Amino acid sequence: QVQLVESGGGVVQPGRSLRLSCAASGFTFTNYGMHWVRQAPGKGLEWVADISFDGSDENYSDSVKGRFTISRDNSKNTLDLQMNSLRVEDTAVYYCAKSSIKSGYDYWGQGTLVTVSS
Amino acid sequence: FILTQPHSVSESPGKTVTISCTRSSGRIASSYVQWYQQRPGRSPTAVIYEDDLRPSRVPDRFSGSIDSSSNSASLTISGLKTEDEADYYCQSYDGSFGVFGGGTKLTVL
Repeated sequence: QVQLVESGGGVVQPGRSLRLSCAASGFTFTNYGMHWVRQAPGKGLEWVADISFDGSDENYSDSVKGRFTISRDNSKNTLDLQMNSLRVEDTAVYYCAKSSIKSGYDYWGQGTLVTVSS
Repeated sequence: FILTQPHSVSESPGKTVTISCTRSSGRIASSYVQWYQQRPGRSPTAVIYEDDLRPSRVPDRFSGSIDSSSNSASLTISGLKTEDEADYYCQSYDGSFGVFGGGTKLTVL
């Protein structure tokens, strides 16, 4: 069965960096685009970034462009999100999600909480 | 563009409820709309994809549609059950960028 397991969340001070990882299993990772979606406490879902199946194309929301970098290692079936210059407003649960072969995101991880606070 | 949803809806068990998702600019039909259910403390799961298709595990009480005249998508849940109480999010695309609606809290009381 498809599993997506995020890790790397924690408490970090504003301006510092954090790297999230998502370990994928149960499907052919190299065939699918992958995404990061976040949810601030008590708020809605916000798409953050995505990466194509082969890592050749990346897209970012305006709120994180220039600060976050999405990457993947198809040999290890892992997806990463390098988050630099973190801001208080980046505080959220970060989910990795798999692109559906159709449209949308068909599998989500359990999420990892990032808290940016001094 | 933004996707606008009602903040909350409520209905009684056994009844039918419809949640709207209005696209602010551009045609609603230009990009597929998905709907996700998120129960408290859980990750989102898809209940509708490509406007009106249902994943096999989702009961046929859930249906989706789009209306070009109002430039909106709708999620309809019939025969409401208490287990349907959750937050529901519509989602579409702006080119390659994902766009989510603000979410609708469904209360079944």
